[in-house]
Amino acid sequence: QVQLQESGPGLVKPSQTLSLTCTVSGGSISSGGYYWSWIRQHPGKGLEWIGYIYYSGSTYYNPSLKSRVTISVDTSKNQFSLKLSSVTAADTAVYYCATYYDFPPVDYWGQGTLVTVSS
Amino acid sequence: EIVLTQSPGTLSLSPGERATLSCRASQSVSSSYLAWYQQKPGQAPRLLIYGASSRATGIPDRFSGSGSGTDFTLTISRLEPEDFAVYYCQQYGSLFTFGPGTKVDIK
Repeated sequence: QVQLQESGPGLVKPSQTLSLTCTVSGGSISSGGYYWSWIRQHPGKGLEWIGYIYYSGSTYYNPSLKSRVTISVDTSKNQFSLKLSSVTAADTAVYYCATYYDFPPVDYWGQGTLVTVSS
Repeated sequence: EIVLTQSPGTLSLSPGERATLSCRASQSVSSSYLAWYQQKPGQAPRLLIYGASSRATGIPDRFSGSGSGTDFTLTISRLEPEDFAVYYCQQYGSLFTFGPGTKVDIK
């Protein structure tokens, strides 16, 4: 069974780039079929899909975030990453890495990591 | 973008009672690509229902989903203490969007 674990700074300054990594265990990130995803949840609020990357490298990003988001894969470390540029306080949220096989919806989630944007 | 609306915002019930949660879409959800998740404080969401009515692996049969087009329902037939949580619907027929959630709390 696939397990996911987020890591990265819990505090980011405004205008900087938020960078998070998700380590995958229980499966190979380069095996076909999985869509490696990032989803966030603002404090006390609902869920927002950020985007995903397929093992082939193809990506999909939420149009509302597309200009600031990059998702990439590091097959040598069995990890995938999120970069969100030019952050503001509105990007403060719990960030989840997640995945599904072949077709949505997401059925594997990391535990989530809180990222606060503040000077 | 398909916007999902959930009602009620909060549902106050007692253990053993039936819970009926609604999810309405701003336009038709293709092929009933509608999922329901349960989230407890400090935890990631857990998939309950996909394809509007199929239970995910390991989900008790007191959870059931129904609906099509723009109107979907999650029913919990008899609330157990562990069912008090927030429930989200998500459509995945056109990009991915989530509803704002319904909190089921203890009356």
